[in-house]
Amino acid sequence: EVQLVESGGGLVQPGGSLRLSCVVSGFTFSDHYMDWVRQAPGKGLEWVGRIRNKANSYTTEYAASVKGRFTISRDDSKTSLYLQMNSLNTEDTAVYYCAGAGGDFRHFDYWGQGTLITVSS
Amino acid sequence: DIQLTQSPSFLSASVGDRVTITCRASQGISSYLAWYQQKPGKAPQLLIYAASTLQSGVPSRFSGSVSGTEFTLTISSLQPEDFGTYYCQQLNTYPITFGGGTKVEIK
Repeated sequence: EVQLVESGGGLVQPGGSLRLSCVVSGFTFSDHYMDWVRQAPGKGLEWVGRIRNKANSYTTEYAASVKGRFTISRDDSKTSLYLQMNSLNTEDTAVYYCAGAGGDFRHFDYWGQGTLITVSS
Repeated sequence: DIQLTQSPSFLSASVGDRVTITCRASQGISSYLAWYQQKPGKAPQLLIYAASTLQSGVPSRFSGSVSGTEFTLTISSLQPEDFGTYYCQQLNTYPITFGGGTKVEIK
């Protein structure tokens, strides 16, 4: 059974930092590209960023809205994905999903259940 | 950035109806478009990828097609469990972008 379990969400003050984790099981994590997607309350889906696999040098891509503030990393030995979020603002309030892209990496096969980040004073 | 315009944003249809959702890309994206279904409080689930390839386990009443930069998701016979919000997504160019969503209600 495929499982992606996010953790690390919660309430944080504007300007603060938070680190999300996503632990994966049930598929070959090391082969997949991994992405973060967020969804503000009552809104649509917004792609946050991606980390490629080892064969593609673990390179990353980010949405303009988070570039320079968020960092995606992974630990294949722990089948874990991370999202380090700095300089958080109220517009970062959202449910954050991790997602796995396999095959040609042109679709998200697997999704976690999401973790809520609330940025508020 | 590539904009994806979904229409309609909301639709209400009866069980058994044929339903069509359109996603128009602001520029060419080859066939790198996926469709997802999201139910309230749940993560999205992949339905279609590469514009027309049905994800394993997804009922065959779902289908996808493309004509130029216009992509279509069709549900041939709407079922009660098909309620939710449907999103298109392009993965041709970074940043990856999503359409605004189409909320489907069962009458």
